[in-house]
Amino acid sequence: AQKVTQAQTEISVVEKEDVTLDCVYETRDTTYYLFWYKQPPSGELVFLIRRNSFDEQNEISGRYSWNFQKSTSSFNFTITASQVVDSAVYFCALSETSGTYKYIFGTGTRLKVLA
Amino acid sequence: GAVVSQHPSRVICKSGTSVKIECRSLDFQATTMFWYRQFPKQSLMLMATSNEGSKATYEQGVEKDKFLINHASLTLSTLTVTSAHPEDSSFYICSVLLAASSYNEQFFGPGTRLTVL
Repeated sequence: AQKVTQAQTEISVVEKEDVTLDCVYETRDTTYYLFWYKQPPSGELVFLIRRNSFDEQNEISGRYSWNFQKSTSSFNFTITASQVVDSAVYFCALSETSGTYKYIFGTGTRLKVLA
Repeated sequence: GAVVSQHPSRVICKSGTSVKIECRSLDFQATTMFWYRQFPKQSLMLMATSNEGSKATYEQGVEKDKFLINHASLTLSTLTVTSAHPEDSSFYICSVLLAASSYNEQFFGPGTRLTVL
């Protein structure tokens, strides 16, 4: 069965520190998609990145970077030089290609960046 | 991408009343929409898949008669919480499936916060 695990419930860092949010997934599909979303206090989900299972290239977007390791079924997210505005809950999600198009969300990691 | 709206953004109602939440796809026709529920400090849990012109598919444990879903057009799906009780208080989020996307991507609405007194 498909599953997404975000083992870190809450992380606190001081501004300008780097922080990595872990995401481990389980799926039987060979083709699948992974996503990261940010949920600020307003509640609206903010899309951060999508990745398909055939694209293992790491990606960098400004202070954000993602490390996709198919061998360990992980899709970790790093924020470099964190800022107070990065404080939010971050969700990792898995979508399989077996017809239902459902997303399986991890439990989320609450990040607190302290000034 | 796709732009999704929800109305209302926030609603407070008395126990026993019914509440309707609308989810609109503003810039493309959505055959499939999803409804999620999120309790405080928890993850998003899929409630049901809404398909235009047919009955919704509910996840295990979700009461069909309590959470009525109607997807009568390609741009609108509604979720009606019938005879709401305080335990139904939650954040309800809809999404639309962009089937043409190569990623089976969903685009999310801003959410509706329901408080039942």
